[in-house]
Amino acid sequence: AQTVTQSQPEMSVQEAETVTLSCTYDTSESDYYLFWYKQPPSRQMILVIRQEAYKQQNATENRFSVNFQKAAKSFSLKISDSQLGDAAMYFCAYRSAGDKIIFGKGTRLHILP
Amino acid sequence: DGGITQSPKYLFRKEGQNVTLSCEQNLNHDAMYWYRQDPGQGLRLIYYSQIVNDFQKGDIAEGYSVSREKKESFPLTVTSAQKNPTAFYLCASSNFYRDISYEQYFGPGTRLTVT
Repeated sequence: AQTVTQSQPEMSVQEAETVTLSCTYDTSESDYYLFWYKQPPSRQMILVIRQEAYKQQNATENRFSVNFQKAAKSFSLKISDSQLGDAAMYFCAYRSAGDKIIFGKGTRLHILP
Repeated sequence: DGGITQSPKYLFRKEGQNVTLSCEQNLNHDAMYWYRQDPGQGLRLIYYSQIVNDFQKGDIAEGYSVSREKKESFPLTVTSAQKNPTAFYLCASSNFYRDISYEQYFGPGTRLTVT
């Protein structure tokens, strides 16, 4: 069965610094998507970034980028120039064809002013 | 503005009572989902619906029931058979269930407390 593991329950970063959140997954599929969702204190989940497994180029959305290592089954999220508004719970998620989306247990990110 | 609404934001019930959580979307999405979120557990899928009048059990469906009579609405009933109903419940929707590229859009959630 597919699994998604986020090994860091909590992390802290100084404002304006860069932080990387880790995510590993287990699958035997070749075609799938990976997602990072953000859940701020309001608890409204929003999509941060997505990556298609067939694309070698790492996805980037403004200050957010991923390091996708397909062979290692690793999908980390890098947040550059951290801002106070980045403080949230971050969930890594996986979805393959014919299956439901699977979420990791989340990493709580604190931004230190 | 398009989006998903869940009401109420906070809900309190006595043990032994059934309670229904509302979820409405105006995004014209085919698929809708219900998740339960507990501290340290991530999101766990309760039920999902790919299309009107169709729904399937997720990973933790016991003690819950749903209906999908309209495309816009996917209410969740937490029955008295659910042993630990106190949790945060999130509703989500996506454009087309079988397209794995589609993101899920989430509602603001309902915090249910049963005493």
